[in-house]
Amino acid sequence: NAGVTQTPKFQVLKTGQSMTLQCAQDMNHEYMSWYRQDPGMGLRLIHYSVGAGITDQGEVPNGYNVSRSTTEDFPLRLLSAAPSQTSVYFCASRVGSPNEKLFFGSGTQLSVL
Amino acid sequence: SQQGEEDPQALSIQEGENATMNCSYKTSINNLQWYRQNSGRGLVHLILIRSNEREKHSGRLRVTLDTSKKSSSLLITASRAADTASYFCATGDGGFKTIFGAGTRLFVKA
Repeated sequence: NAGVTQTPKFQVLKTGQSMTLQCAQDMNHEYMSWYRQDPGMGLRLIHYSVGAGITDQGEVPNGYNVSRSTTEDFPLRLLSAAPSQTSVYFCASRVGSPNEKLFFGSGTQLSVL
Repeated sequence: SQQGEEDPQALSIQEGENATMNCSYKTSINNLQWYRQNSGRGLVHLILIRSNEREKHSGRLRVTLDTSKKSSSLLITASRAADTASYFCATGDGGFKTIFGAGTRLFVKA
């Protein structure tokens, strides 16, 4: 099993551009989530999904959209990138039981100029 | 807002010494987890302790939880250079959100 796969690993955007960060998992996990990691601030939850067709907001959802059309995929969309969105983004998944351990992807480093 | 806060922010020790990291949190929890992150990598789950447990062991790791003080500690015994990483605590309230602290950076000198 590949686990949680994120693409791309690195991305540079100009302010105002849009892009989609991809996340796929092959563990049949019901729950998937997106975090951003900034220096000295740990990980902050952006959005999460408890199953196909169901998404909800985390701590810092503004500027990001998500959808969950399949169990395997959970893309994160930046509609109009801003410098404040420069960060490392992590996708994570787990089985459906609340608050069980998360499995993380290797991250996407995003720079917005 | 962050739930867990780790202390210290950074820790430097010699190989063979024990490393202790602390985590404090603010609200009631269902469980508390510790994760490890090597530089440039994703987080890896280390151990989970539930709110009705006081202590848990896994190999060289020992985790304690004091719900009355809203705090937890992670002890790594006989540290190795390969333990150099950042360590994060994360809390769950029994719902869908797992909230992370800012982490402790551990450096183990060979």
